[in-house]
Amino acid sequence: AQSVTQPDIHITVSEGASLELRCNYSYGATPYLFWYVQSPGQGLQLLLKYFSGDTLVQGIKGFEAEFKRSQSSFNLRKPSVHWSDAAEYFCAVDLGSTLGRLYFGRGTQLTVWP
Amino acid sequence: NAGVTQTPKFRVLKTGQSMTLLCAQDMNHEYMYWYRQDPGMGLRLIHYSVGEGTTAKGEVPDGYNVSRLKKQNFLLGLESAAPSQTSVYFCASSPTRQQANYGYTFGSGTRLTVV
Repeated sequence: AQSVTQPDIHITVSEGASLELRCNYSYGATPYLFWYVQSPGQGLQLLLKYFSGDTLVQGIKGFEAEFKRSQSSFNLRKPSVHWSDAAEYFCAVDLGSTLGRLYFGRGTQLTVWP
Repeated sequence: NAGVTQTPKFRVLKTGQSMTLLCAQDMNHEYMYWYRQDPGMGLRLIHYSVGEGTTAKGEVPDGYNVSRLKKQNFLLGLESAAPSQTSVYFCASSPTRQQANYGYTFGSGTRLTVV
């Protein structure tokens, strides 16, 4: 059973438009939640994470994400996308079941039109 | 610069050859991981380690072995390479879950082609 779901394989937005990437997880308690970004030919870079507290978290590069317990979601948002944001985005979840193990979604490829 | 270093960055192997991928981290992290990334498959965990001298199997361990003799190094071995092992391999490390900076730091990857 897939623990982390990113429903959108590919999203295309125009530069300057707003962005929301979806992430849902299957877990009873509150997991540790992460978003990573991967530029072509590069490793994954941490954008932001949520462990507890304020459910709206700010990350690098102007990204934010909101944890919604009732929806088991941790969606990533950006108010105005830049061409340099074109990359693949991965949601990851620590379910607490295996020591230090993150479960990754399949990723969402973001294309930005000029 | 502190981080995770993977060597080599690129390698071409013939079927049946062996090789070792090296991952080194200088952040004193307890946990280390090896993933492979294939188009449409996302990241799949091969093996991981929660401390020096320990290793455990992930989702796709067959055909691979690992060792963590020193805390800062995590080696991934392919004893007899197969074309199905053509992939991009990523190493990651992390502090423990109890630490505020918990989360993976990734290396830049090793692109392996088996012909």
